[in-house]
Amino acid sequence: SQQGEEDPQALSIQEGENATMNCSYKTSINNLQWYRQNSGRGLVHLILIRSNEREKHSGRLRVTLDTSKKSSSLLITASRAADTASYFCATDSNTGNQFYFGTGTSLTVIP
Amino acid sequence: EAQVTQNPRYLITVTGKKLTVTCSQNMNHEYMSWYRQDPGLGLRQIYYSMNVEVTDKGDVPEGYKVSRKEKRNFPLILESPSPNQTSLYFCASTSRDGSQPQHFGDGTRLSIL
Repeated sequence: SQQGEEDPQALSIQEGENATMNCSYKTSINNLQWYRQNSGRGLVHLILIRSNEREKHSGRLRVTLDTSKKSSSLLITASRAADTASYFCATDSNTGNQFYFGTGTSLTVIP
Repeated sequence: EAQVTQNPRYLITVTGKKLTVTCSQNMNHEYMSWYRQDPGLGLRQIYYSMNVEVTDKGDVPEGYKVSRKEKRNFPLILESPSPNQTSLYFCASTSRDGSQPQHFGDGTRLSIL
Protein backbone atom coordinates (compact mmCIF):
# COMPACT_ATOMS: atom_id res chain seq x y z
CA SER A 1 0.00 0.00 0.00
CA GLN A 2 1.15 3.53 -0.70
CA GLN A 3 -0.96 4.98 2.04
CA GLY A 4 0.66 7.67 4.14
CA GLU A 5 0.64 8.15 7.86
CA GLU A 6 -0.14 11.10 10.08
CA ASP A 7 1.51 11.71 13.37
CA PRO A 8 0.34 12.02 16.06
CA GLN A 9 -2.80 9.90 15.82
CA ALA A 10 -4.48 12.13 18.38
CA LEU A 11 -3.71 15.58 19.73
CA SER A 12 -5.41 17.55 22.49
CA ILE A 13 -4.58 21.21 23.10
CA GLN A 14 -6.01 24.28 24.78
CA GLU A 15 -7.75 26.96 22.78
CA GLY A 16 -5.25 29.56 21.60
CA GLU A 17 -2.36 27.13 21.34
CA ASN A 18 -0.81 26.03 18.06
CA ALA A 19 -1.39 22.54 16.69
CA THR A 20 1.14 20.75 14.52
CA MET A 21 0.51 17.48 12.73
CA ASN A 22 2.83 15.60 10.43
CA CYS A 23 2.34 13.45 7.38
CA SER A 24 4.75 10.96 5.87
CA TYR A 25 4.25 9.37 2.47
CA LYS A 26 5.98 6.66 0.49
CA THR A 27 6.43 7.57 -3.15
CA SER A 28 7.26 10.65 -5.20
CA ILE A 29 4.35 13.03 -5.65
CA ASN A 30 3.11 15.89 -7.77
CA ASN A 31 0.93 17.48 -5.10
CA LEU A 32 0.03 17.07 -1.45
CA GLN A 33 -3.27 18.18 0.00
CA TRP A 34 -4.62 18.54 3.51
CA TYR A 35 -8.26 17.88 4.34
CA ARG A 36 -10.40 18.28 7.43
CA GLN A 37 -13.24 16.00 8.50
CA ASN A 38 -15.78 16.82 11.14
CA SER A 39 -17.21 13.77 12.87
CA GLY A 40 -19.20 11.64 10.45
CA ARG A 41 -19.09 14.21 7.65
CA GLY A 42 -17.36 14.47 4.31
CA LEU A 43 -13.86 15.81 3.92
CA VAL A 44 -13.27 19.47 3.25
CA HIS A 45 -10.22 20.66 1.36
CA LEU A 46 -7.90 22.98 3.30
CA ILE A 47 -4.76 23.57 1.29
CA LEU A 48 -2.74 22.16 -1.61
CA ILE A 49 1.03 22.33 -1.94
CA ARG A 50 2.86 21.36 -5.09
CA SER A 51 6.02 19.27 -5.09
CA ASN A 52 8.16 22.23 -6.12
CA GLU A 53 6.90 24.35 -3.21
CA ARG A 54 8.34 24.23 0.29
CA GLU A 55 5.84 26.27 2.28
CA LYS A 56 2.34 27.63 1.85
CA HIS A 57 0.04 29.73 4.00
CA SER A 58 -3.71 30.13 4.12
CA GLY A 59 -5.17 32.16 6.98
CA ARG A 60 -4.19 30.38 10.22
CA LEU A 61 -2.83 27.39 8.31
CA ARG A 62 0.80 26.85 7.39
CA VAL A 63 1.91 23.82 5.41
CA THR A 64 5.47 22.74 4.76
CA LEU A 65 6.70 20.07 2.39
CA ASP A 66 10.04 18.27 2.41
CA THR A 67 10.18 16.00 -0.61
CA SER A 68 13.61 14.66 0.33
CA LYS A 69 12.13 13.28 3.56
CA LYS A 70 8.76 12.54 1.99
CA SER A 71 7.01 14.46 4.72
CA SER A 72 4.72 17.40 5.27
CA SER A 73 3.46 19.27 8.29
CA LEU A 74 0.29 21.25 8.95
CA LEU A 75 0.40 24.01 11.55
CA ILE A 76 -2.81 25.57 12.83
CA THR A 77 -2.07 28.73 14.76
CA ALA A 78 -4.21 30.22 17.54
CA SER A 79 -6.50 27.20 17.59
CA ARG A 80 -10.21 27.47 18.29
CA ALA A 81 -12.71 24.96 19.63
CA ALA A 82 -14.22 24.89 16.13
CA ASP A 83 -10.93 23.44 14.80
CA THR A 84 -11.78 20.17 16.57
CA ALA A 85 -11.83 17.60 13.75
CA SER A 86 -9.74 14.94 12.06
CA TYR A 87 -7.08 16.07 9.60
CA PHE A 88 -5.83 14.02 6.68
CA CYS A 89 -3.07 14.46 4.17
CA ALA A 90 -3.51 13.13 0.65
CA THR A 91 -0.94 12.59 -2.06
CA ASP A 92 -1.42 11.85 -5.72
CA SER A 93 0.29 9.20 -7.78
CA ASN A 94 2.99 10.25 -10.23
CA THR A 95 0.35 10.17 -12.97
CA GLY A 96 -1.92 12.36 -10.88
CA ASN A 97 -4.75 9.86 -11.27
CA GLN A 98 -4.81 8.10 -7.91
CA PHE A 99 -4.97 9.48 -4.39
CA TYR A 100 -3.52 8.12 -1.19
CA PHE A 101 -4.80 9.37 2.14
CA GLY A 102 -3.06 9.15 5.45
CA THR A 103 -4.59 7.59 8.53
CA GLY A 104 -5.47 10.96 10.04
CA THR A 105 -4.82 13.02 13.15
CA SER A 106 -7.70 13.59 15.52
CA LEU A 107 -7.42 17.10 16.96
CA THR A 108 -9.34 18.19 20.04
CA VAL A 109 -9.22 21.86 21.02
CA ILE A 110 -10.38 22.43 24.58
CA PRO A 111 -12.18 25.74 25.19
CA GLU B 1 -24.65 25.40 -4.76
CA ALA B 2 -21.72 23.23 -5.83
CA GLN B 3 -22.10 19.82 -4.29
CA VAL B 4 -21.58 16.09 -4.45
CA THR B 5 -24.70 14.16 -3.47
CA GLN B 6 -24.70 10.58 -2.30
CA ASN B 7 -27.66 8.33 -1.65
CA PRO B 8 -28.57 6.66 0.54
CA ARG B 9 -26.86 8.18 3.57
CA TYR B 10 -27.43 5.07 5.65
CA LEU B 11 -28.21 1.49 4.67
CA ILE B 12 -28.45 -1.75 6.57
CA THR B 13 -28.72 -4.81 4.39
CA VAL B 14 -27.88 -8.50 4.28
CA THR B 15 -25.11 -10.51 2.71
CA GLY B 16 -25.57 -11.16 -1.00
CA LYS B 17 -28.30 -8.61 -1.70
CA LYS B 18 -27.13 -6.38 -4.55
CA LEU B 19 -27.05 -2.70 -3.79
CA THR B 20 -26.14 0.54 -5.52
CA VAL B 21 -24.93 3.76 -3.95
CA THR B 22 -25.51 6.73 -6.20
CA CYS B 23 -23.25 9.74 -6.53
CA SER B 24 -23.98 12.89 -8.47
CA GLN B 25 -22.02 16.14 -8.87
CA ASN B 26 -23.18 19.44 -10.32
CA MET B 27 -19.78 21.01 -11.01
CA ASN B 28 -19.14 19.50 -14.46
CA HIS B 29 -16.08 17.73 -13.06
CA GLU B 30 -14.24 15.20 -15.21
CA TYR B 31 -12.75 13.21 -12.33
CA MET B 32 -14.83 11.22 -9.85
CA SER B 33 -13.80 8.71 -7.25
CA TRP B 34 -15.07 6.38 -4.53
CA TYR B 35 -13.37 5.82 -1.17
CA ARG B 36 -14.07 3.72 1.85
CA GLN B 37 -13.12 4.83 5.34
CA ASP B 38 -12.41 2.36 8.10
CA PRO B 39 -11.17 3.06 11.63
CA GLY B 40 -7.40 3.26 11.80
CA LEU B 41 -7.05 2.90 8.03
CA GLY B 42 -8.01 6.34 6.80
CA LEU B 43 -9.54 6.60 3.33
CA ARG B 44 -8.72 4.08 0.65
CA GLN B 45 -9.55 4.59 -2.99
CA ILE B 46 -11.87 1.97 -4.51
CA TYR B 47 -12.36 3.13 -8.10
CA TYR B 48 -11.91 6.34 -10.01
CA SER B 49 -13.00 7.76 -13.34
CA MET B 50 -11.11 10.30 -15.41
CA ASN B 51 -14.08 10.95 -17.68
CA VAL B 52 -17.21 9.40 -19.20
CA GLU B 53 -16.76 5.70 -20.01
CA VAL B 54 -13.27 5.69 -18.41
CA THR B 55 -12.91 3.90 -15.08
CA ASP B 56 -9.90 2.45 -13.26
CA LYS B 57 -9.21 0.43 -10.13
CA GLY B 58 -7.93 2.10 -7.02
CA ASP B 59 -6.28 0.37 -4.08
CA VAL B 60 -9.21 -1.74 -2.91
CA PRO B 61 -11.50 -2.56 -5.88
CA GLU B 62 -12.37 -6.17 -5.00
CA GLY B 63 -16.11 -6.73 -4.60
CA TYR B 64 -17.10 -3.42 -6.20
CA LYS B 65 -18.16 -2.23 -9.63
CA VAL B 66 -18.65 1.25 -11.02
CA SER B 67 -19.92 2.84 -14.20
CA ARG B 68 -19.62 6.29 -15.74
CA LYS B 69 -22.25 6.66 -18.42
CA GLU B 70 -22.81 10.36 -17.76
CA LYS B 71 -20.40 13.00 -16.58
CA ARG B 72 -22.38 13.90 -13.46
CA ASN B 73 -23.07 10.38 -12.13
CA PHE B 74 -20.75 7.70 -10.77
CA PRO B 75 -22.65 4.90 -9.01
CA LEU B 76 -20.93 2.31 -6.82
CA ILE B 77 -22.33 -1.21 -7.16
CA LEU B 78 -21.93 -4.05 -4.72
CA GLU B 79 -23.11 -7.12 -6.62
CA SER B 80 -22.91 -9.51 -3.66
CA PRO B 81 -22.16 -7.54 -0.51
CA SER B 82 -20.30 -9.21 2.34
CA PRO B 83 -19.81 -8.13 5.98
CA ASN B 84 -16.23 -6.97 5.30
CA GLN B 85 -17.71 -4.27 3.08
CA THR B 86 -19.36 -2.66 6.08
CA SER B 87 -17.83 0.79 6.03
CA LEU B 88 -18.30 4.51 5.50
CA TYR B 89 -18.18 5.35 1.80
CA PHE B 90 -17.37 8.68 0.20
CA CYS B 91 -17.74 9.90 -3.34
CA ALA B 92 -15.56 12.79 -4.52
CA SER B 93 -15.05 14.82 -7.66
CA THR B 94 -12.54 17.28 -9.04
CA SER B 95 -12.06 19.20 -12.23
CA ARG B 96 -8.97 17.25 -13.13
CA ASP B 97 -6.25 15.22 -11.46
CA GLY B 98 -4.36 15.69 -8.23
CA SER B 99 -3.54 19.28 -8.99
CA GLN B 100 -7.00 20.42 -7.88
CA PRO B 101 -8.94 19.95 -4.64
CA GLN B 102 -11.49 17.18 -4.41
CA HIS B 103 -15.06 17.87 -3.35
CA PHE B 104 -16.57 15.20 -1.14
CA GLY B 105 -20.10 14.02 -0.53
CA ASP B 106 -21.41 13.60 3.01
CA GLY B 107 -20.86 9.87 3.03
CA THR B 108 -22.89 6.66 3.00
CA ARG B 109 -22.74 4.39 6.02
CA LEU B 110 -23.26 0.79 4.91
CA SER B 111 -23.83 -2.06 7.34
CA ILE B 112 -23.91 -5.54 5.83
CA LEU B 113 -25.17 -8.25 8.14
